[in-house]
Amino acid sequence: DTAVSQTPKYLVTQMGNDKSIKCEQNLGHDTMYWYKQDSKKFLKIMFSYNNKELIINETVPNRFSPKSPDKAHLNLHINSLELGDSAVYFCASSTGPDSGNTIYFGEGSWLTVV
Amino acid sequence: GNSVTQMEGPVTLSEEAFLTINCTYTATGYPSLFWYVQYPGEGLQLLLKATKADDKGSNKGFEATYRKETTSFHLEKGSVQVSDSAVYFCALSGANSKLTFGKGITLSVRP
Repeated sequence: DTAVSQTPKYLVTQMGNDKSIKCEQNLGHDTMYWYKQDSKKFLKIMFSYNNKELIINETVPNRFSPKSPDKAHLNLHINSLELGDSAVYFCASSTGPDSGNTIYFGEGSWLTVV
Repeated sequence: GNSVTQMEGPVTLSEEAFLTINCTYTATGYPSLFWYVQYPGEGLQLLLKATKADDKGSNKGFEATYRKETTSFHLEKGSVQVSDSAVYFCALSGANSKLTFGKGITLSVRP
């Protein structure tokens, strides 16, 4: 049973396209996240939602728009894709937004923009 | 702001060698500290964590102690195996559980 699942796992698309990555967690957690891992494997948070409310919004281009229809889902939509958006995007979840809570990561979505 | 500094890599060891990966941090308040591991082609898995000073996290033979006086959380293992080959990330958790990661270090273990 996959705790945090993302689809698609691999995505190759052309510049200028719009794409979405979906994420679902079956852990009953209240808080969900999107992290980006660049080509040098550096990880940085993008967004976080707690009970469907946005609580972290890092400096991310507004071409990136998260959507949380319910506590178990956090989708990431990207408009007008650019070459620099190529990365691995990780969805994650935790019981709540308190420091010390373990964050559980999905297996990642490898996005390649050509 | 918060930051995490990991030693430069990559690291290559022979099987059964002793492993130390250094991690130091800068943070306001009292963060929780984590080590995550990423095996090739996979996502991140929690390896261990510590939530307050002097706590020791341990898992799968790995250990790390939260040292507030030196702001460090070094990862150690007494005898590494080939299956430990992976990328290791040190991280701290601040407000709203936001994880700040170090750059990661690649460990390769030779048979």
